[in-house]
Amino acid sequence: DTEVTQTPKHLVMGMTNKKSLKCEQHMGHRAMYWYKQKAKKPPELMFVYSYEKLSINESVPSRFSPECPNSSLLNLHLHALQPEDSALYLCASSQVPSGYEQYFGPGTRLTVT
Amino acid sequence: SQQGEEDPQALSIQEGENATMNCSYKTSINNLQWYRQNSGRGLVHLILIRSNEREKHSGRLRVTLDTSKKSSSLLITASRAADTASYFCATDEEGTALIFGKGTTLSVSS
Repeated sequence: DTEVTQTPKHLVMGMTNKKSLKCEQHMGHRAMYWYKQKAKKPPELMFVYSYEKLSINESVPSRFSPECPNSSLLNLHLHALQPEDSALYLCASSQVPSGYEQYFGPGTRLTVT
Repeated sequence: SQQGEEDPQALSIQEGENATMNCSYKTSINNLQWYRQNSGRGLVHLILIRSNEREKHSGRLRVTLDTSKKSSSLLITASRAADTASYFCATDEEGTALIFGKGTTLSVSS
């Protein structure tokens, strides 16, 4: 199974809401990633988890809070978002953090109203 | 931060023609990867070429890497309408995560 799944596919939330994005992989990968992608732009790295520990946080605002409950799951908790946070949020995984290809999920299209 | 810069930004060709995209980068790398993204979907890994390799093939794809010029090219031969997508190069440096370039948008018309 070389699939990374993400739920939900679409999410609309108000600026005062709290919601979570979920990502799952069953490939035994030990590195997992969150990216944010705006239209017609490349993915921007947000967080990297290596062996279930947060290893890279690319100066992401605290209204985004990642969590890695186990080696297969990655969550992104959202709170008090701004309209400019509307984007496609992509999850990816790889065998280890460097030197290997990444497998991406289909993404969650987030709209903040 | 972005390291890879793709060229051209957009490319329109007819089915059956070849498509060539170029990527330039700035620092030493462990490997360079190419990804495809269909509109609004996740990225799909196409090919990984390591810094000690010069050329790699996968089906209709051919990737070259010139570390002296810090550049790579992706050639898609005999293009099909289904190849219409955005293509990104991504560089893998020691101790950091992948850094994606701005991408090339390929349009293949039948």
